[in-house]
Amino acid sequence: SQQGEEDPQALSIQEGENATMNCSYKTSINNLQWYRQNSGRGLVHLILIRSNEREKHSGRLRVTLDTSKKSSSLLITASRAADTASYFCASGGSNYKLTFGKGTLLTVNP
Amino acid sequence: ETGVTQTPRHLVMGMTNKKSLKCEQHLGHNAMYWYKQSAKKPLELMFVYNFKEQTENNSVPSRFSPECPNSSHLFLHLHTLQPEDSALYLCASSQGGGLAGGTDTQYFGPGTRLTVL
Repeated sequence: SQQGEEDPQALSIQEGENATMNCSYKTSINNLQWYRQNSGRGLVHLILIRSNEREKHSGRLRVTLDTSKKSSSLLITASRAADTASYFCASGGSNYKLTFGKGTLLTVNP
Repeated sequence: ETGVTQTPRHLVMGMTNKKSLKCEQHLGHNAMYWYKQSAKKPLELMFVYNFKEQTENNSVPSRFSPECPNSSHLFLHLHTLQPEDSALYLCASSQGGGLAGGTDTQYFGPGTRLTVL
């Protein structure tokens, strides 16, 4: 079964606005990670939040994790045109493998 | 630059060809991965290697044959592919090695865009 479902599938906003993406997963996790992918390129790790953490910040990124709801959200504040990309959540279990979601395509219009 | 390189970046092949994709990581990692990314589909994990040993084959057809000669190099040998195999093939590496707590971060290469005619 598919783990890691991002919502929405696509999001279009204006520069300067905040972008919020959500992710749900199905089984218990040790951590949840967010990755970014520019069109046709490899994924780049953005941030990791452990299962015993509720919120984490990194620059303009804010990630929350609710293990009771098996969900996470990624907030990008003061978005820029350069933030245009696909964003994926990935759930990490007891081993070193990750299960990726389908991704949210974020378009930031100048 | 993530420290993971992939060659070639683009590949066009016929269904009867044999070709190989190469991945190299310069991060001292122990685990390496092959993923397939098709349009409008989730990232599909194909193979996992940890300390050169294959630890996962995610029901991948035998026309895809991985090879991991050492912890820094990973190959994907392709033979008699189908047009539906056209996709972006991504290689990744991570610390691996049964890392306690499973907090492995994966580092991806830029991918090989494969087109099967």
